[in-house]
Amino acid sequence: GAVVSQHPSRVICKSGTSVKIECRSLDFQATTMFWYRQFPKKSLMLMATSNEGSKATYEQGVEKDKFLINHASLTLSTLTVTSAHPEDSSFYICSARNRRLDRGEQYFGPGTRLTVT
Amino acid sequence: SQQGEEDPQALSIQEGENATMNCSYKTSINNLQWYRQNSGRGLVHLILIRSNEREKHSGRLRVTLDTSKKSSSLLITASRAADTASYFCATDAADSWGKLQFGAGTQVVVTP
Repeated sequence: GAVVSQHPSRVICKSGTSVKIECRSLDFQATTMFWYRQFPKKSLMLMATSNEGSKATYEQGVEKDKFLINHASLTLSTLTVTSAHPEDSSFYICSARNRRLDRGEQYFGPGTRLTVT
Repeated sequence: SQQGEEDPQALSIQEGENATMNCSYKTSINNLQWYRQNSGRGLVHLILIRSNEREKHSGRLRVTLDTSKKSSSLLITASRAADTASYFCATDAADSWGKLQFGAGTQVVVTP
């Protein structure tokens, strides 16, 4: 299989605090991991591309100092939302591509619901 | 920016009927993919069709791709209540280095 997990599934934090979300590929090594943001009843917006051992590539309009991405290993990428504000409340989803069986599809985590109060 | 645009935005059908949704895109692609998302969950990969393919089947799913019209369609045959979900097309553009651009999605409701 190609299972991707995310932790936590839900998090509520206060304004000004930082929140870390983990994305793990459980049974494969990920060439690349992607971070998306999704608003209610909307599509996914790509935030950044994360490659193991190198700096993440951010999409236009995404603040790299606010959304810190670290790809420490071939199975783990983390997204830290720094100094969170209510407008950062959203559904964050990661995905990964399989290093060995790369046919182009991405495997998605179950998502993390972030609520900033 | 969103590459794929989907039509219709919402679709309501009864069990046993077929559901068809369309996706249009703007640039050259390596492949086009369809994903399914149940409410509040992650996405599940359904099918990938490469730019040199015209049609692909997987179980009750049939996907077509017309690169001259820059469009694709997803057909779900003999729909079931469990098919209720949002369906997204995503394009892997020729110069995107593996990044996917998602369409707005089609919300499908299948009633028993």
